[in-house]
Amino acid sequence: KAGVTQTPRYLIKTRGQQVTLSCSPISGHRSVSWYQQTPGQGLQFLFEYFSETQRNKGNFPGRFSGRQFSNSRSEMNVSTLELGDSALYLCASSLDPTAEQFFGPGTRLTVL
Amino acid sequence: AQSVTQLDSQVPVFEEAPVELRCNYSSSVSVYLFWYVQYPNQGLQLLLKYLSGSTLVESINGFEAEFNKSQTSFHLRKPSVHISDTAEYFCAVSAMGGSQGNLIFGKGTKLSVKP
Repeated sequence: KAGVTQTPRYLIKTRGQQVTLSCSPISGHRSVSWYQQTPGQGLQFLFEYFSETQRNKGNFPGRFSGRQFSNSRSEMNVSTLELGDSALYLCASSLDPTAEQFFGPGTRLTVL
Repeated sequence: AQSVTQLDSQVPVFEEAPVELRCNYSSSVSVYLFWYVQYPNQGLQLLLKYLSGSTLVESINGFEAEFNKSQTSFHLRKPSVHISDTAEYFCAVSAMGGSQGNLIFGKGTKLSVKP
């Protein structure tokens, strides 16, 4: 069974640009969560989606947004990029919100 | 709201020595507890979890953790470490009965096993 897939794996952007990251969950999984990992702040929860509905949202500015499609794939978007947005963005999927999460390898975003 | 404190940012240890990685949490409600491991350039892998029942939980690769409600701790232990255990370990919590997709993580402990 294929694991969680995140694309792209690496991304370089400049300040002010916007970026879209993609996450394909494990087949059959309907819940997707996103996390930001930085050396300073560690792992921080961004969003959680289940059946195309956002269930929870972390404490991030409105520049961070996400969505989930009917096939459970998810995207997150960051607009007006700042240097501090440089991070590893991790996606995790699970059968449903009460089940164990499986993490993808992450997308490494560098903002110059 | 919940918070997690991992007391050691780095733990160096020699191969075959025992190790303990400490984790304390704070929460106004009952919680589920997790330990995740992250190898270089990889995502997180679930090592073990406490949801209910026995307070001592074990992983398949020799790690164990004990939930101590009175001390609000969930320390991770291994009696004899291997070079391959070198990684970063994260303790996490979520509210009991709530979603496991909304985890609160500690800052992580880098375990370095030396020959």
